[in-house]
Amino acid sequence: GEDVEQSLFLSVREGDSSVINCTYTDSSSTYLYWYKQEPGAGLQLLTYIFSNMDMKQDQRLTVLLNKKDKHLSLRIADTQTGDSAIYFCAEIRQNDYKLSFGAGTTVTVRA
Amino acid sequence: SQTIHQWPATLVQPVGSPLSLECTVEGTSNPNLYWYRQAAGRGLQLLFYSVGIGQISSEVPQNLSASRPQDRQFILSSKKLLLSDSGFYLCAWNLGGDGHEGNTIYFGEGSWLTVV
Repeated sequence: GEDVEQSLFLSVREGDSSVINCTYTDSSSTYLYWYKQEPGAGLQLLTYIFSNMDMKQDQRLTVLLNKKDKHLSLRIADTQTGDSAIYFCAEIRQNDYKLSFGAGTTVTVRA
Repeated sequence: SQTIHQWPATLVQPVGSPLSLECTVEGTSNPNLYWYRQAAGRGLQLLFYSVGIGQISSEVPQNLSASRPQDRQFILSSKKLLLSDSGFYLCAWNLGGDGHEGNTIYFGEGSWLTVV
């Protein structure tokens, strides 16, 4: 199975908050990442969190990390139409220090 | 600042034809380089990575190959394309080493390949 798992789809109303969830397997991962992919484009680094942190906030983005449950979430406040994209969660594989990505969550923002 | 470019952006190739996708990184030296593939509706699959000139590691056996002829150039090739090779190919780089700066991966714009 996948090392990193995410739900595949999320639909949210414009102005509401979006919460994208992710579970990972490597409890020794030092950094966890969120990337955004707009249609037809490459992946853009959104934010990351170090494993000794529980929360990180960056403007409309809030990352929560639960190391005990190996659960990571990304909250987008006041979701806008420009937030429609695929969001990827990623962890660092400790055996070779390469990033392992989830399948991506497609977020659709409806008016 | 560092930049990464890959080309062509879009490619339509017949089955059995060769493939060459190119990627270059500017503004840094000795980066780790990566080729990922994103099939329609699926996540990212790491195909190849390189930690230096002439050093290529393959993650998944298939009819693709990669080469790194120069420090900041990474090429993805195939001698004979299959229909299943269709997808979105992403080149990426990072600095390597410990810490956030070393591990964070930065992606190119991607190349759409359709094999017909």
